[in-house]
This record gives sequence, C-alpha cells and structure tokens, in this order.
Amino acid sequence: DIQMTQSPSTLSASVGDRVTITCRASQSISTWLAWYQQKPGKAPKILIYKASSLETGVPSRFSGGGSGTEFTLTISSLQPDDFATYYCQRYNDLWSFGQGTKVEIK
Amino acid sequence: EVQLVESGGGLVQPGGSLRLSCTVSGFTLSTYWMNWVRQAPGKGLEWVANIKQDGSEKYYVDSVRGRFTISRDNAKDSLFLQMNGLRADDTALYYCVRGWITPSIGPPLHSWGQGTLVTVSS
Repeated sequence: DIQMTQSPSTLSASVGDRVTITCRASQSISTWLAWYQQKPGKAPKILIYKASSLETGVPSRFSGGGSGTEFTLTISSLQPDDFATYYCQRYNDLWSFGQGTKVEIK
Repeated sequence: EVQLVESGGGLVQPGGSLRLSCTVSGFTLSTYWMNWVRQAPGKGLEWVANIKQDGSEKYYVDSVRGRFTISRDNAKDSLFLQMNGLRADDTALYYCVRGWITPSIGPPLHSWGQGTLVTVSS
C-alpha cells in the first residue's frame, strides 16, 4: 500500500510569508495528487488537482508542483484566510490522504 | 447551488449497524461518481468508498471492505452507506463528496457535505 507523508506536521508563519508544504509518496503516483484546505469545523475544500492544476476560484497565490514521489503546495504570500490544515491525497488507484499540515500564526 | 446533506449518524454499540444517507441538490446525481470520506475526531481524512454513476463499480478502503456497502438511488437524488459490524475505530464524521464525471478528469473530490457523526461505543 502506498503511504503519503506530509512535512512539516505544523508550520508557524506570518502574513506575507512564502510557505511550502511537502508531500511524499512511498511509490510513484505520477501526477495523481490533489491538495485540500480544511478550516476548523468545516468540510475540506479542493485547491489543486493533477499535482499542479488550480481549481476554479482558488486564489493564484496557491500553486502545486512535483511528480512521481515528491510534491509541493506553495502559498506565495500567506493571507489571514490561509491559516488552516492542508492535506494531500493520492488518487492513482486506491485513494489515501497524507496526515495533514497545520499552518498556524507565528 | 450544489448541496449535499448527510443524515443517519448517531450512537451505536460495537457490532451494530447504521445506514447513512446523503441527499443532494443543485446538480444531477446520475452524472457524477460519488464518495464517502471520514474523519475521526481530531484526526485526518480517510477516503472510505466510491461508486460509479450507474452503481456498476464500487471501491472501498481495505479497513471497511466486507463490512460497508455504498449504494445510490439516482431517481431520489440519494447516496447511501450501509455500515455493518461497526467498531470503535469507525467513530468519525462521515462526509458525502461529489466526485468526477470522467475518472481522471478534474478533481477526484470536489463538493463536500457538512458530515454526519457516527459514534461507536458501548
């Protein structure tokens, strides 16, 4: 079974910072990777799919990259609304999520 | 407006059963793959199962295969999850999630409901 590992687990940052979250797969998943944002008490929201495709309506400060086993989610300039938990998800065959990365205020 | 409303959660004893329902509006259910995703309290997300538009294909995470059954009634705009042999580690908020139209085209999990809580405890 392919494992998805996110790093870091928690990230402290300030408004305006450039933030990068990494997701690693234990085997190649090509570009079958999505990123979601979840705020406390709310359902997750899709941000990125196919590793780098920005979902309609998602701000352009979010970007995704990578292929194979290593992927990144970058927020170019962190905004107050971006403090949340972020999950990567593989969907190459069976589907699974990373453990999540909480982005908190520094 | 796309809406997905889950129901049917509650407290159940270990070994018991529950049937979750998801009623959708704002889109044509028969057009989309549909999913269940769960989240244990304070924990991360776990994809549980999905079903093709006509119900001809169903997939499950290993931990629920043989105990849970996903189904749908497109005429009634409804998705279901029959859960048997419930265990304490099935305790979670269960989300109904609209998927894609064509596999691999677009995001795999697009629109989410607000979830229904299942608690398995004696």
